[in-house]
Amino acid sequence: ILNVEQSPQSLHVQEGDSTNFTCSFPSSNFYALHWYRWETAKSPEALFVMTLNGDEKKKGRISATLNTKEGYSYLYIKGSQPEDSATYLCAFRSSYKLIFGSGTRLLVRP
Amino acid sequence: GAGVSQSPRYKVAKRGQDVALRCDPISGHVSLFWYQQALGQGPEFLTYFQNEAQLDKSGLPSDRFFAERPEGSVSTLKIQRTQQEDSAVYLCASSLGRQLNSPLHFGNGTRLTVT
Repeated sequence: ILNVEQSPQSLHVQEGDSTNFTCSFPSSNFYALHWYRWETAKSPEALFVMTLNGDEKKKGRISATLNTKEGYSYLYIKGSQPEDSATYLCAFRSSYKLIFGSGTRLLVRP
Repeated sequence: GAGVSQSPRYKVAKRGQDVALRCDPISGHVSLFWYQQALGQGPEFLTYFQNEAQLDKSGLPSDRFFAERPEGSVSTLKIQRTQQEDSAVYLCASSLGRQLNSPLHFGNGTRLTVT
């Protein structure tokens, strides 16, 4: 059974704080690791797709790293803003399946 | 269309009824996924299509669930004899190619409530 774990489950931070979340996935049979942002009442939106060990991606204040050998990825948000409040999902791609974690729910207080 | 479209947005069914959920992917997208999302959980994989071919249906929870994509574009997820445990949000997503590094584009989902 392919298991993708995300931690923490939820996180409350103050505006301006930097924060990070963890995604753990199986280290074998790896094809790709996806990160999505899911705001309430909207559909999930792709942030990053990462395929290579050691890969680092950045989009504005959000960045992600990937370690396929040990099976983890970190998502970082620098200087959190209230509009960053959302659920952040990671998903591990193995063959045709894209297996999602349960997400980290981030709330940024003004 | 600009994005993935799902209909209906909400569906209430009485236990035992059959339901059909529709997904219009982005035009030209080869890959199409269906997911089931229960409250407080991440999306659970149901099935995957590449054009009209259903390459993986291992996530369908029972033989009451059936999905098709006969012409390689619009897809329908059918649930027969609905049960209360089928209540969930059903998400459809498409991606451009067969590449395993293509991001998914999601629809807004269909919220199914079985009473």
